[in-house]
Amino acid sequence: GDSVTQKQGQVTLSEDDFLFINCTYSTTTYPTLLWYVQYPGQGPQLLLKVTTANNKGISRGFEATYDKGTTSFHLQKASVQESDSAVYFCALVDPRYKVVFGSGTRLLVSP
Amino acid sequence: EAGVTQSPRYAVLQEGQAVSFWCDPISGHDTLYWYQQPRDQGPQLLVYFRDEAVIDNSQLPSDRFSAVRPKGTNSTLKIQSAKQGDTATYLCASRTGGDTQYFGPGTRLLVL
Repeated sequence: GDSVTQKQGQVTLSEDDFLFINCTYSTTTYPTLLWYVQYPGQGPQLLLKVTTANNKGISRGFEATYDKGTTSFHLQKASVQESDSAVYFCALVDPRYKVVFGSGTRLLVSP
Repeated sequence: EAGVTQSPRYAVLQEGQAVSFWCDPISGHDTLYWYQQPRDQGPQLLVYFRDEAVIDNSQLPSDRFSAVRPKGTNSTLKIQSAKQGDTATYLCASRTGGDTQYFGPGTRLLVL
């Protein structure tokens, strides 16, 4: 079945550092790929999505590129802020609109 | 436009007790999802509906969990005889048209 892997459980940075969160996926289809962000006490919110048509998503300074060759969908941001501290989930949407989530990466940004 | 609402926000039970969670999706959203999110893990789909019909409940532990959406709007998820392993946040999400799901704030369940 479909799966999404995030190997980094936690990333700790200082403000203005570069962010890179690793995500790889496994599927037999060409899914839509998503990044969700979850703040304490809230449900996940869609941060950005990428389809096979556009290959790259950009939102709020975050960007992710769909790489079919390496089946990766890493999340990057040039300069993080303390307010970016949250849990980030990589996910894929299958053709039946079921979403499969990764295990999440907690980002801690110190001022 | 109001988002997805869920109640209660918190629940604490002893093992063996029953509990129900309620979800009100975004108005007009025909598809509704229930997820279980254990601590420090990603959400895992339990069941989803299109209107009042169950589309997929293959991950719902049918011996103790049940879910209904009788009028194709609000939905209730019930756990009979809760176990400690059911401790998690239960998330509801809704969708219409495209592939973006909108999540509610969740119900945090602790089973002692």
